[in-house]
Amino acid sequence: DGGITQSPKYLFRKEGQNVTLSCEQNLNHDAMYWYRQDPGQGLRLIYYSQIVNDFQKGDIAEGYSVSREKKESFPLTVTSAQKNPTAFYLCASKDTPTTDTQYFGPGTRLTVL
Amino acid sequence: QQQVKQSPQSLIVQKGGIPIINCAYENTAFDYFPWYQQFPGKGPALLIAIRPDVSEKKEGRFTISFNKSAKQFSLHIMDSQPGDSATYFCAASRSFGNEKLTFGTGTRLTIIP
Repeated sequence: DGGITQSPKYLFRKEGQNVTLSCEQNLNHDAMYWYRQDPGQGLRLIYYSQIVNDFQKGDIAEGYSVSREKKESFPLTVTSAQKNPTAFYLCASKDTPTTDTQYFGPGTRLTVL
Repeated sequence: QQQVKQSPQSLIVQKGGIPIINCAYENTAFDYFPWYQQFPGKGPALLIAIRPDVSEKKEGRFTISFNKSAKQFSLHIMDSQPGDSATYFCAASRSFGNEKLTFGTGTRLTIIP
């Protein structure tokens, strides 16, 4: 898992509530990513950020929001607009532009009750 | 154009056998092809990666074979062990930049003693 931490490991939420997932890295990486993983599916990109105060939508951004106020932090908010939020959420970072390798955090499992 | 197709979805191999996982891509601009290994409840970890200038790359018991003309690449695990039981994801992107990784859907590998 390298220098990427995600918290909490497990999160339960009632329908209609917003919830924020934390991602912190001490690798001094420029780029950070959020993915969603569902059983039997690959990783799907939600949002990514190349530099502080800048981020772009990925393939499934609807119902999610992010911020990148600090280089080491990239929190993801799952809003009530996300229709099927129960999933395993993975944060990753990359030392752009000198390398292609993305390093992943341990993940947060979100369950909507 | 952005898809990466991975097969099989699941694979059971006897200890010492050579499981082979295959991936095919469509976008000819892709030039970075990593494989990730993921254990249950954990984040994916980079296993091995290849670029199109070579047809094969080995790291320990793991080998990537790459066929540029067929737009296919595969992972071979030599002398497989029960500890290799995990989900394996292939991915592809254009290198040296903030290009998104496109992931395959994963292969759940089980090595039986």
